[in-house]
Amino acid sequence: NAGVTQTPKFQVLKTGQSMTLQCAQDMNHEYMSWYRQDPGMGLRLIHYSVGAGITDQGEVPNGYNVSRSTTEDFPLRLLSAAPSQTSVYFCASSSIAGGYTDTQYFGPGTRLTVL
Amino acid sequence: AQSVTQLGSHVSVSEGALVLLRCNYSSSVPPYLFWYVQYPNQGLQLLLKYTTGATLVKGINGFEAEFKKSETSFHLTKPSAHMSDAAEYFCAVSAGTASKLTFGTGTRLQVTL
Repeated sequence: NAGVTQTPKFQVLKTGQSMTLQCAQDMNHEYMSWYRQDPGMGLRLIHYSVGAGITDQGEVPNGYNVSRSTTEDFPLRLLSAAPSQTSVYFCASSSIAGGYTDTQYFGPGTRLTVL
Repeated sequence: AQSVTQLGSHVSVSEGALVLLRCNYSSSVPPYLFWYVQYPNQGLQLLLKYTTGATLVKGINGFEAEFKKSETSFHLTKPSAHMSDAAEYFCAVSAGTASKLTFGTGTRLQVTL
């Protein structure tokens, strides 16, 4: 049971490049989400999904796309990287109980630098 | 809409002293409340959570928190700080529909000798 895995751990991009951050979970969780963490701002929700084929925007969705074709995978795409997207990105998953998000399990994070 | 406010971005305590990290929330429905801890260069891990029932919840590493509906608070405490408690702590709320989890901005706990 690997939990939540993320790849890569580190990435450097040039402005305008695109890339995909990978996230996978093996706990059969319905809910998956992407956060970015910036100093002094806590974790801000980018996109989330409550099941395969269902995604929705969080607080800071601009410049990012997601899809959820399987329960296990939830990739995050940066369409045209900008320096403002330099951050640490966390993927998380959880079960949903009675409409509430239960304990979220986090991946180890991806540290992204955009030059 | 739901929100979380953590009072104090930095808290410093002496080893052996009481730890008190404050969290207030806003929610239009009964919330689920969480405290997570993040050690340097790591992801977040759950310390404890409140869903329903007993309002005093105990977590790992000797931490506990009390849900006070009248004060819309969920403060985190530990009777005696240890050097290994130095980390960043996040309060979070999940409030029903849409199942989104909203985090506070975090409190960095420093423990001194």
